[in-house]
Amino acid sequence: DTAVSQTPKYLVTQMGNDKSIKCEQNLGHDTMYWYKQDSKKFLKIMFSYNNKELIINETVPNRFSPKSPDKAHLNLHINSLELGDSAVYFCASSQVHGTVSSPLHFGNGTRLTVT
Amino acid sequence: KNQVEQSPQSLIILEGKNCTLQCNYTVSPFSNLRWYKQDTGRGPVSLTIMTFSENTKSNGRYTATLDADTKQSSLHITASQLSDSASYICVVSAANQAGTALIFGKGTTLSVSS
Repeated sequence: DTAVSQTPKYLVTQMGNDKSIKCEQNLGHDTMYWYKQDSKKFLKIMFSYNNKELIINETVPNRFSPKSPDKAHLNLHINSLELGDSAVYFCASSQVHGTVSSPLHFGNGTRLTVT
Repeated sequence: KNQVEQSPQSLIILEGKNCTLQCNYTVSPFSNLRWYKQDTGRGPVSLTIMTFSENTKSNGRYTATLDADTKQSSLHITASQLSDSASYICVVSAANQAGTALIFGKGTTLSVSS
């Protein structure tokens, strides 16, 4: 079974649309994350959700909103998509929040292309 | 400012050759460091973790080193294989008043050719 799964794998949409990416983890972890990987492959944290506490990266536009229906799911909703939102979005989970001693388990990414 | 710098940015080697990837950090206080491997089209996967007290750790053909005094880590790959072609990302824990944070390097892209 895939530990962290996200859907869809590819998402092509037009500017101005609203879209969602879903993520589920079956590892029993308390913390989930969303990362954005740009064209230069640099991973940037967008959000972390730890025991119902949301930690937001202040540089993330408020068009992006995470939604966690339960501990195993963390979805990402994006409003009014812009060209600059094109990137690969990774969901991840860890047993303990924010420390290298607790490894991140990543999904295989969602490649978002905004045209 | 907490930073993680990786070098080289990219590297091309022939199959069977060895290579070394570098990670320099200016993270304080330092607790530990982890190397991830990211295959094309996949999410990163942990290779190994280096704690403050560890100098060297091997995982198959991968050997990681850590010099906490100079704030440097390296990842040495022995007898490279085509499957080693990937991005290698160094991540360091940084402690601050709000808790801990993960500081990511920008990665080294390794291409192994036959």
